[in-house]
Amino acid sequence: GIQVEQSPPDLILQEGANSTLRCNFSDSVNNLQWFHQNPWGQLINLFYIPSGTKQNGRLSATTVATERYSLLYISSSQTTDSGVYFCAVPNYGQNFVFGPGTRLSVLP
Amino acid sequence: DSGVTQTPKHLITATGQRVTLRCSPRSGDLSVYWYQQSLDQGLQFLIQYYNGEERAKGNILERFSAQQFPDLHSELNLSSLELGDSALYFCASSAMSAGANTEAFFGQGTRLTVV
Repeated sequence: GIQVEQSPPDLILQEGANSTLRCNFSDSVNNLQWFHQNPWGQLINLFYIPSGTKQNGRLSATTVATERYSLLYISSSQTTDSGVYFCAVPNYGQNFVFGPGTRLSVLP
Repeated sequence: DSGVTQTPKHLITATGQRVTLRCSPRSGDLSVYWYQQSLDQGLQFLIQYYNGEERAKGNILERFSAQQFPDLHSELNLSSLELGDSALYFCASSAMSAGANTEAFFGQGTRLTVV
């Protein structure tokens, strides 16, 4: 099946800093999602971004499908941004495969 | 609120027991997926249903089974529970199957603790 990698695995930031999270996938896909899992375990949809760039407040995402990667940008990070960020892609029509996640800690 | 409802939110049970987790998908969504997330681990795909039929299977144990009913809600049955089955179990739904241009939404999860 399709393989998904994410980097970095862990990230510690001071409040107010910016960061870039990366997701690489092993085959062409027709959609990609970014999720935030908060410290209470909830999985929150951030972006549905098969290609191109989208922005939502301090977060934005870019997917370059032809090069098989996506980037999630977090600007002016806040402590509430802490948690694990996952990207997920469809696995040949069967299910969504998740990357291992990037664990983000934003310090006050 | 994602629109996907999972019950119960928390479940504590003893080894050897059987439990049923329930999922109501978003209105209009035909696909339901079940995932397992053990402590500090990633999300492992268990099984997918599409409009009442099993569509795909992941690393689902034989002690586990699922079904999707005519009203599209789904249940995940876990039997002969072991300590290692303790995990967060997520249900997700999407309008179409994963290969299409379709977005998945996740429920809040059921946190299962086996003691």
